[in-house]
Amino acid sequence: QVQLQESGPGLVKPSETLSLTCAVSGYSISSGYFWGWIRQPPGKGLEWIGNIYGSGITYYNPPLKSRVTISVDMSKNQFSLRLTSVTAADTAVYYCAREINGGGMDYWGQGTLVTVS
Amino acid sequence: QSALTQPRSVSGSPGQSVTISCTGTSSDVGGYNYVSWYQQHPGKAPKLMIYDVSKRPSGVPDRFSGSKSGNTASLTISGLQAEDEADYYCCSQADSYLVFGGGTKLTVL
Repeated sequence: QVQLQESGPGLVKPSETLSLTCAVSGYSISSGYFWGWIRQPPGKGLEWIGNIYGSGITYYNPPLKSRVTISVDMSKNQFSLRLTSVTAADTAVYYCAREINGGGMDYWGQGTLVTVS
Repeated sequence: QSALTQPRSVSGSPGQSVTISCTGTSSDVGGYNYVSWYQQHPGKAPKLMIYDVSKRPSGVPDRFSGSKSGNTASLTISGLQAEDEADYYCCSQADSYLVFGGGTKLTVL
């Protein structure tokens, strides 16, 4: 069974960098698929942030592209998100997920709330 | 880029059918056969219900079906059950990124 688990600070100061990690178990990232980050501000809808393939190819949501970096660590079977220059608008539950193709995200982490304050 | 357009809310009685629409443009919904739908209960992570417009993952009841016509995709839920009450989001490929709809709250009366 594929499982994903997000981890990282729950509180980040404005103008600083948000860093999260998603640990994957039950499947090797190097075996394929894209691995993505999605966020959801409190009481609002979902927003796709970006994804990464095992080879390191990345794609980002255009409005966030200048502030986002997604990387992968094959040795630990995990991938990470960095979002720079955060503001209160970046407060959200952050999810990681496996993307089977064209946006079909079949396995999700439980989500982690990050507050910018 | 703009979010896909979904009705804010829909409702139906147990046993009835409801359809949730998801309208985009020729640059996203209309341009790719990569539309997916997610069900989200309060406080939970989204769950994949439909991918590639009309495919159902293993374990998703066949009461859930997806379709697309032009720039609009649709999710139909037949034989409504109380546990179907949730928020539903569509998602589409758009060039090199993904875009979600604003979400629809389904109420089972």
